[in-house]
Amino acid sequence: DAGVIQSPRHEVTEMGQEVTLRCKPISGHNSLFWYRQTMMRGLELLIYFNNNVPIDDSGMPEDRFSAKMPNASFSTLKIQPSEPRDSAVYFCASSFFGTSGNTIYFGEGSWLTVV
Amino acid sequence: GQNIDQPTEMTATEGAIVQINCTYQTSGFNGLFWYQQHAGEAPTFLSYNVLDGLEEKGRFSSFLSRSKGYSYLLLKELQMKDSASYLCAVENDYKLSFGAGTTVTVRA
Repeated sequence: DAGVIQSPRHEVTEMGQEVTLRCKPISGHNSLFWYRQTMMRGLELLIYFNNNVPIDDSGMPEDRFSAKMPNASFSTLKIQPSEPRDSAVYFCASSFFGTSGNTIYFGEGSWLTVV
Repeated sequence: GQNIDQPTEMTATEGAIVQINCTYQTSGFNGLFWYQQHAGEAPTFLSYNVLDGLEEKGRFSSFLSRSKGYSYLLLKELQMKDSASYLCAVENDYKLSFGAGTTVTVRA
């Protein structure tokens, strides 16, 4: 079975540019998470969706960040305009929501550098 | 709020045993996960505890005490490939909140 698929794997962009990160969750999973990982702050939850509906976006840093999930097999995380402090690894993860103890499975991550 | 504490670094010798402790104070609790993350890679699932006690899975075991807000991950018969970061995560409302991770270095 294919795991969580993210693209791009690596992106280097200039400050002020728009960045779009993409994610395809594991088929059959109904929960999707976007996490950000940095050395300073560790792994932080940005937003999570259940059945394509955003349930909790309290971790989204500011209005420059937005996330969508138009269908069960695709999600995007957009940063506009990007800033150097947005440089991080962005992980998408998915799970099956239904009972406690659902393991979440991570994609390989998108390594973002904003210069 | 969520407060999850674990040591920053640990070093051990190949073949030895290492115990990584995790203490937590969180607004809710459904269970506790341990993930392994090798440098440059995604976190991968190791274990899950929802009831007090020890869960054993091969060379890895995980323990939970809900009343004490405490868990540990025990790695036995250490191998070089076990050098990685180990992340403690508390599940609440089907979300996971992660600790900062413990970097384990295994030396020959």
